[in-house]
Amino acid sequence: KAGVTQTPRYLIKTRGQQVTLSCSPISGHRSVSWYQQTPGQGLQFLFEYFSETQRNKGNFPGRFSGRQFSNSRSEMNVSTLELGDSALYLCASSLGAGQGAKETQYFGPGTRLLVL
Amino acid sequence: GQNIDQPTEMTATEGAIVQINCTYQTSGFNGLFWYQQHAGEAPTFLSYNVLDGLEEKGRFSSFLSRSKGYSYLLLKELQMKDSASYLCAVRDSGGYNKLIFGAGTRLAVHP
Repeated sequence: KAGVTQTPRYLIKTRGQQVTLSCSPISGHRSVSWYQQTPGQGLQFLFEYFSETQRNKGNFPGRFSGRQFSNSRSEMNVSTLELGDSALYLCASSLGAGQGAKETQYFGPGTRLLVL
Repeated sequence: GQNIDQPTEMTATEGAIVQINCTYQTSGFNGLFWYQQHAGEAPTFLSYNVLDGLEEKGRFSSFLSRSKGYSYLLLKELQMKDSASYLCAVRDSGGYNKLIFGAGTRLAVHP
């Protein structure tokens, strides 16, 4: 079974621009979560999508948004980029069986974003 | 608030045993995960605990005490390839798949 894939793997943008990152989950997985990883803050939860609906959100500004398509693929968008948005953006997929289930998230390789 | 603490760095010798501790204070709890992350790579799942006690999986074991807000990951028969960061993460009880991560413990295994 193919793992989680993310595109692009590397990206360089300048301040003020916007960026869209893509994530394709493992086949059969319906939940996609996004995380930001930086050396200073570690891994931080951005949001989770299940059945095309955002069902959880972390503490990030509204410049960070996402969506999920009917085939479970997900995109996240960051508008008006700031230098501090430079990070590794990871997506993770899981079955999406719901609360209380022994559900494991599997991470993709990430997109490394550099904002200049 | 949400707080997960792990040691920043540890070193160990090939063939030895190492224990990486994790303490947590979170508003909710629905399981604790350990992930391994090699430099420049994605985190990979190691173990999951939701009930108190020890879960063993080959060379890796993980322990949980919910009353103490404490977990540890035990790595036996260390190999050079075990040099990596080990991430402790708590799943928020209200948040489906929302994981709250500790900063990670960088383990260096020496010959």
